[in-house]
Amino acid sequence: SQTIHQWPATLVQPVGSPLSLECTVEGTSNPNLYWYRQAAGRGLQLLFYSVGIGQISSEVPQNLSASRPQDRQFILSSKKLLLSDSGFYLCAWSVERGNQPQHFGDGTRLSIL
Amino acid sequence: LAKTTQPISMDSYEGQEVNITCSHNNIATNDYITWYQQFPSQGPRFIIQGYKTKVTNEVASLFIPADRKSSTLSLPRVSLSDTAVYYCLVGDIFTSGTYKYIFGTGTRLKVLA
Repeated sequence: SQTIHQWPATLVQPVGSPLSLECTVEGTSNPNLYWYRQAAGRGLQLLFYSVGIGQISSEVPQNLSASRPQDRQFILSSKKLLLSDSGFYLCAWSVERGNQPQHFGDGTRLSIL
Repeated sequence: LAKTTQPISMDSYEGQEVNITCSHNNIATNDYITWYQQFPSQGPRFIIQGYKTKVTNEVASLFIPADRKSSTLSLPRVSLSDTAVYYCLVGDIFTSGTYKYIFGTGTRLKVLA
């Protein structure tokens, strides 16, 4: 069966520090991968998606970037964190063909001080 | 982009059937309707997906009228553990053909003893 892993579960970082969140998927090949952010009490906002290695699309302008160095690895990064980057970050995967549900990891709670 | 409208919150009692209705007036011909459940500090969990008429699985039923402008998630005999936020999603196809969801704020269901 397929599984998705995100780490760390929680992270506290000072303003201006770098960020690297990692997500890996097991049990499937060539998945579509997604990064979402959820503010407290709000819905999920799609940040990035990827349909293959090295292929990244950004949905909203922001202080973050994403990379996909391997087929089942998706990384969310920042060179300098802002206070507004605080939130709950979720990685998700789906099979490559359309109209298929996305499956989410357990998320990373990021607090910027 | 197809958007959805759901009630912000609902209360129910254990053992009752809960119906959550979602409006999606601008649904496109190729769009599927998908429902997710999210507990605090966890990623959303896929519940059910459908295109038209009725879909049923081991946890829920999804009713979709012929015009597909709305859908109703039915949870039979809810328990306290069903207290969560429920999201109704209608997919949108990227130009590349990848499926994308627009997450709203969902419906916060509270099950009372």
